[in-house]
Amino acid sequence: NAGVTQTPKFQVLKTGQSMTLQCAQDMNHNSMYWYRQDPGMGLRLIYYSASEGTTDKGEVPNGYNVSRLNKREFSLRLESAAPSQTSVYFCASRTVSELINYGYTFGSGTRLTVV
Amino acid sequence: EDKVVQSPLSLVVHEGDTVTLNCSYEVTNFRSLLWYKQEKKAPTFLFMLTSSGIEKKSGRLSSILDKKELSSILNITATQTGDSAIYLCAVEWYSGGGADGLTFGKGTHLIIQP
Repeated sequence: NAGVTQTPKFQVLKTGQSMTLQCAQDMNHNSMYWYRQDPGMGLRLIYYSASEGTTDKGEVPNGYNVSRLNKREFSLRLESAAPSQTSVYFCASRTVSELINYGYTFGSGTRLTVV
Repeated sequence: EDKVVQSPLSLVVHEGDTVTLNCSYEVTNFRSLLWYKQEKKAPTFLFMLTSSGIEKKSGRLSSILDKKELSSILNITATQTGDSAIYLCAVEWYSGGGADGLTFGKGTHLIIQP
């Protein structure tokens, strides 16, 4: 099915470990985003990519790096995980040429716990 | 700094009641305002509003944007237990470099009691 696929769905890390969250979309969308959601905080933008080869910082980029590997894939890396990075992470994509209202498509989320 | 503020943050009502959720924003380079419903997983799209004063409706849900007051409301009439969820307001912005994205409010946690 077309959409945004995130892996893994769940992950437990120890403080200081590193990991990469993967995101892929098969809708030929230009823009991709990483958000984190903490209880009572809504979604906060970590990084975004308007097109292949470009990335920009969002509201809360500290402690994260991203790679826009190609048009389909946008990965989020935690180099040295901290308990403050315990959160639910959502990847999303959007095309600027989309004419319908459903401009943003979200993945199902990755629940990350850092102990 | 862009800001989206939702109120109330939580609301408990009885089935059949009508509720109004509020969203105000201060965003540079505003493009549109979106409402989402979230039930323990990814947000699902409800409405996108770009023009002031034009109401969007879908069944028992409706929403309207006031660009002069920089605000929007989401109304739910004849509420049902299935309406229990977090309702997120997001404002879409654009940057000079051609990028765009969403800034979200903290959400309103709505609980409908039978």
